[in-house]
Amino acid sequence: GQNIDQPTEMTATEGAIVQINCTYQTSGFNGLFWYQQHAGEAPTFLSYNVLDGLEEKGRFSSFLSRSKGYSYLLLKELQMKDSASYLCAVRDSNYQLIWGAGTKLIIKP
Amino acid sequence: TAGITQAPTSQILAAGRSMTLRCTQDMRHNAMYWYRQDLGLGLRLIHYSNTAGTTGKGEVPDGYSVSRANTDDFPLTLASAVPSQTSVYFCASSEQGAGGANVLTFGAGSRLTVL
Repeated sequence: GQNIDQPTEMTATEGAIVQINCTYQTSGFNGLFWYQQHAGEAPTFLSYNVLDGLEEKGRFSSFLSRSKGYSYLLLKELQMKDSASYLCAVRDSNYQLIWGAGTKLIIKP
Repeated sequence: TAGITQAPTSQILAAGRSMTLRCTQDMRHNAMYWYRQDLGLGLRLIHYSNTAGTTGKGEVPDGYSVSRANTDDFPLTLASAVPSQTSVYFCASSEQGAGGANVLTFGAGSRLTVL
């Protein structure tokens, strides 16, 4: 079966750095996505990786290793507004998105 | 503001009743999707449409139907609601059906409770 694993919850301190990991086993691979979802709101797109390596976008970076079936989302200089759930999704060989259950990130002052 | 509009925002429904969740987008995106989101689970695809006039089944299509008469509208119908359909439903769209980054834009969600 297809599976996306992420930690259920993480806690970090304002101003610090946090890394949210995602491992996947899917039927083929056609890209990995990270979305942010604030409580009670819609998911919004953060990043897309299709080749190995690091993609940097401001305070957020996303890394992919296809051979290891592994990605992480790195958030720097954490702000209180970064408190949200972070969803990892992989597009399989049929171009269908398989979603992880999300990681709830709690930021403490 | 351009985007996706979903209605209703929330609804309580008696089991056995029918319900249509509405979804309209103004971005002229080709592809549209319906997902359900349940606590502890990832988003699960119910139905999708790659272009107006076509629809397809997702991971959890049973008990749901969709139509895509035009580019903008993609309603989701529950013919006879059951308590297991209690969930938050998200409509989404993307410029293309497959390939490329194909970033999804989501609506604000419809919270449905079936009693």
